[in-house]
Amino acid sequence: AQSVTQLDSQVPVFEEAPVELRCNYSSSVSVYLFWYVQYPNQGLQLLLKYLSGSTLVKGINGFEAEFNKSQTSFHLRKPSVHISDTAEYFCAVSGGGSSNTGKLIFGQGTTLQVKP
Amino acid sequence: GAVVSQHPSRVICKSGTSVKIECRSLDFQATTMFWYRQFPKQSLMLMATSNEGSKATYEQGVEKDKFLINHASLTLSTLTVTSAHPEDSSFYICSASRDNGYTFGSGTRLTVV
Repeated sequence: AQSVTQLDSQVPVFEEAPVELRCNYSSSVSVYLFWYVQYPNQGLQLLLKYLSGSTLVKGINGFEAEFNKSQTSFHLRKPSVHISDTAEYFCAVSGGGSSNTGKLIFGQGTTLQVKP
Repeated sequence: GAVVSQHPSRVICKSGTSVKIECRSLDFQATTMFWYRQFPKQSLMLMATSNEGSKATYEQGVEKDKFLINHASLTLSTLTVTSAHPEDSSFYICSASRDNGYTFGSGTRLTVV
């Protein structure tokens, strides 16, 4: 079984500043990792995913994340945020490769608040 | 790209009635769809896995008789909340898996009065 912990429930940051949203996972098998963004009363939009290969993953809207197997982390970063990045961000994990059942397990979410 | 359409986006129903939520994959076939429930300011909790042509697999603690799932075709899964009560009020989201990725519907805000 997998689990995900997002270490910060809220992250306030000023516009144009860098931001990091932290995510740690636990799993006894290989994993796939995902970051999603959710705007109010909407579904989830995929920012990026790690399936295999390069540990640095680049996504949409200038976001990137680094898979660190030794630290079981998958932190999301953006070098310069915009007001429009204000939203809820979810880290998610599923089993990888032959361990993949299709189920996604979500973290608790992090609210990114970008201030002018 | 893969698109999942979910309807309705909002529904208000009276206590004791049933509500059906539809989830359609528009440009791909989804043999597996997932239904989640999200309470305000909380994460998504997986309710059940919907498999085309077979019975859904429910997560522990989810009442299968209250949350009926039907996946009759490769592009449509439905969630019916039966005999709804105010505590069933929530945001319900479906997703479909494809190529080790997941596409989500836009969600349904259910309010039971």
